[in-house]
Amino acid sequence: GAGVSQSPRYKVAKRGQDVALRCDPISGHVSLFWYQQALGQGPEFLTYFQNEAQLDKSGLPSDRFFAERPEGSVSTLKIQRTQQEDSAVYLCASSLKKTTYEQYFGPGTRLTVT
Amino acid sequence: AQSVAQPEDQVNVAEGNPLTVKCTYSVSGNPYLFWYVQYPNRGLQFLLKYITGDNLVKGSYGFEAEFNKSQTSFHLKKPSALVSDSALYFCAVSLYPFLTGGGNKLTFGTGTQLKVEL
Repeated sequence: GAGVSQSPRYKVAKRGQDVALRCDPISGHVSLFWYQQALGQGPEFLTYFQNEAQLDKSGLPSDRFFAERPEGSVSTLKIQRTQQEDSAVYLCASSLKKTTYEQYFGPGTRLTVT
Repeated sequence: AQSVAQPEDQVNVAEGNPLTVKCTYSVSGNPYLFWYVQYPNRGLQFLLKYITGDNLVKGSYGFEAEFNKSQTSFHLKKPSALVSDSALYFCAVSLYPFLTGGGNKLTFGTGTQLKVEL
């Protein structure tokens, strides 16, 4: 079956540009997570959705980062006025139920800010 | 706050030999522990988890891990390594998952590159 997909796979943005990263979770998965993975580091939690509700956004590094999941399926992570320190791989993961431990990860979007 | 340490950036092992990838954790309560594997250009894949019960947990592809509370460790093991096991391995911990409706927010280590050679 189809896994978690993310688009674009690669994005180059000039400093100050806005970007939007898309995540298509596995169909029917209730929980959706965004993580940020800097080069040579492990993923770091950004935000969590249960259906369309954003229940945890404690990991968003600044108010330039915004995420939404309006219909409880596809999610978009938006970064406004990108900075060089935003360069990273952004990973999306989904889980079947709100109490499922296992997360299924997408391949990520590699964002490079020049 | 919780944290995870993977002390080895890289582990080299010959095919057929046993492998161990080390992980230690620091949490203020009962930990929920996980191992994920990452292949190039692919998403992280779940290998196994420890929630409660038997300290030895078995997972996908012949991997297992042992939870040691006194040493705060959760090392990943496999009795006989394969070249195809070569990948980047991440240990992760969560604390009080699903509390107050929240999700299973994971804190990851920095990863260990496993290289299995013929």
